[in-house]
Amino acid sequence: GAVVSQHPSRVICKSGTSVKIECRSLDFQATTMFWYRQFPKQSLMLMATSNEGSKATYEQGVEKDKFLINHASLTLSTLTVTSAHPEDSSFYICSVPGSGFGDTQYFGPGTRLTVL
Amino acid sequence: QQQVKQSPQSLIVQKGGISIINCAYENTAFDYFPWYQQFPGKGPALLIAIRPDVSEKKEGRFTISFNKSAKQFSLHIMDSQPGDSATYFCAASGYGNKLVFGAGTILRVKS
Repeated sequence: GAVVSQHPSRVICKSGTSVKIECRSLDFQATTMFWYRQFPKQSLMLMATSNEGSKATYEQGVEKDKFLINHASLTLSTLTVTSAHPEDSSFYICSVPGSGFGDTQYFGPGTRLTVL
Repeated sequence: QQQVKQSPQSLIVQKGGISIINCAYENTAFDYFPWYQQFPGKGPALLIAIRPDVSEKKEGRFTISFNKSAKQFSLHIMDSQPGDSATYFCAASGYGNKLVFGAGTILRVKS
């Protein structure tokens, strides 16, 4: 399956600052990547679909101006949390569709964001 | 119609026993059903997946049973080991690769 990395693994920031999270597909060129958010002891919720060369598509209820997504190349997508607030503290995970079985998605290791 | 309902919420199994987690869905457009394993602080890892054209798929100690008419599928972990202790998520997707996840099951295997 696809190998996916994320950077940073953990970030702590002050309220009102912006944070950028990188998602890289290390062995597979991905025209699409997905961004999820996971609160403690909860399931994964899809935030947006990152599309290489075009705008991201956001799920209902996700603020596109707050969560900026840029799919700069076939191996890199970035999520920027703008003007972060404590309620944005969460585990952010990206995924890459695999080239193998059907709709398989391979997930990165996640980024723990804590906003003070 | 987008929901995937997962049960139980938590499960305790003795080492060597069988762990069974169940999921149900409503949307008949779903055509891909994966199971993911997640350890604390890590991203989910794909365990096994199935399409509706087969009723069962086995990979090592992990088996998916699929009942298309009932719109249910389940994960069976045979010979459960303490290292299997994790959170397990079922999911489903249809056109467009978007995954809808169940709420998760916290599995604890007692040694």
